[in-house]
Amino acid sequence: GAVVSQHPSRVICKSGTSVKIECRSLDFQATTMFWYRQFPKQSLMLMATSNEGSKATYEQGVEKDKFLINHASLTLSTLTVTSAHPEDSSFYICSARTPTGTGTEAFFGQGTRLTVV
Amino acid sequence: AQTVTQSQPEMSVQEAETVTLSCTYDTSESDYYLFWYKQPPSRQMILVIRQEAYKQQNATENRFSVNFQKAAKSFSLKISDSQLGDAAMYFCAYRSINNNDMRFGAGTRLTVKP
Repeated sequence: GAVVSQHPSRVICKSGTSVKIECRSLDFQATTMFWYRQFPKQSLMLMATSNEGSKATYEQGVEKDKFLINHASLTLSTLTVTSAHPEDSSFYICSARTPTGTGTEAFFGQGTRLTVV
Repeated sequence: AQTVTQSQPEMSVQEAETVTLSCTYDTSESDYYLFWYKQPPSRQMILVIRQEAYKQQNATENRFSVNFQKAAKSFSLKISDSQLGDAAMYFCAYRSINNNDMRFGAGTRLTVKP
């Protein structure tokens, strides 16, 4: 299947700093990528839909100024957590769908565990 | 908005036995896709099986099969001959044909006892 690579897998940052997480589709072009947040022992909550060449679409309740998403190319989307605070500590997962076919599953990155201290 | 409900936070099965995980969903759409994903301790999401709503035949992938009841909006996962490696969180997911994003259920933690 298609491969989605997410980097870094773990990051610890100080409160008030910004952290960038990258999501790359390695063997296909992804016009759309998705960013999820997962709290411990909970499900994946969609944060935003990242569209190549245009502004991301954020889910209700997600602060777009805090979670900056950039999808500058067909293989790369980035999520920047700005002015991070301890409550932003979580597991962040990206996914992408292959552009061909219908009903294809989303391929997921391996996730990023963010810890803000 | 579509919602996905997994009513079993935890399930346990003996190795080599069969277990069924439940999932129900709410939608007004007639065509959509349903998925079961597995999330092992590594946290990597792995597709287990998928079902297109327009197909009446239940999907099967080796030891994994689904019971898709469209009228009841039910989509259960059956794992046969359970193996220790099946232990993981299992998420049921819904995707509209009109939208790209997926909606996930709360998950079921499956434990496999040797």
